[in-house]
Amino acid sequence: DSGVTQTPKHLITATGQRVTLRCSPRSGDLSVYWYQQSLDQGLQFLIQYYNGEERAKGNILERFSAQQFPDLHSELNLSSLELGDSALYFCASSSHPGTGYEQYFGPGTRLTVT
Amino acid sequence: AQSVSQHNHHVILSEAASLELGCNYSYGGTVNLFWYVQYPGQHLQLLLKYFSGDPLVKGIKGFEAEFIKSKFSFNLRKPSVQWSDTAEYFCAVNAYGSGNTGKLIFGQGTTLQVKP
Repeated sequence: DSGVTQTPKHLITATGQRVTLRCSPRSGDLSVYWYQQSLDQGLQFLIQYYNGEERAKGNILERFSAQQFPDLHSELNLSSLELGDSALYFCASSSHPGTGYEQYFGPGTRLTVT
Repeated sequence: AQSVSQHNHHVILSEAASLELGCNYSYGGTVNLFWYVQYPGQHLQLLLKYFSGDPLVKGIKGFEAEFIKSKFSFNLRKPSVQWSDTAEYFCAVNAYGSGNTGKLIFGQGTTLQVKP
């Protein structure tokens, strides 16, 4: 157990819908990362937050957004869902936002868009 | 742009065989290097990491990796695999100078199947 929690574990929804994925980092970690794992794209970095502020952006679609709240949990919002958004979404946390710090991964949320 | 390449997509070995998984990255500056393992149905777990110092790093479960800067490589090795090593293995890079963020760039992954 990494100490990072994600809910829900599984999510099945229809095209065009909107969903919210939630992540709670390890106790004391201020930085949260979101990654998407799909069969065709592999594991890709989406976005990073540090202490409530966006820190870095990767290959995140405009239909996707995220935020980190004062209690440090983070939510990833996916809207106008398409079949191709079906993937495993991982959250990771670290104590520091910069290079050289280990990230701890959560169990992931498996999203299926039908 | 930074990228990570894992040469072997699917490896099948018998128990007690030796393992070497290749990983190359493209980035001219300083990097931190990682190997993660994902057992079936589970989350990513860190096997080992290289930040600086001795280029031969030892991780959990008998795994080790060698950083060869001149070859931009960080290959994972294990002298004798077990059935329980069946999993997917990911090489990842965190590059200095890319906005001082810890974001990881992952390779495509290698599926290891160990036959009992």
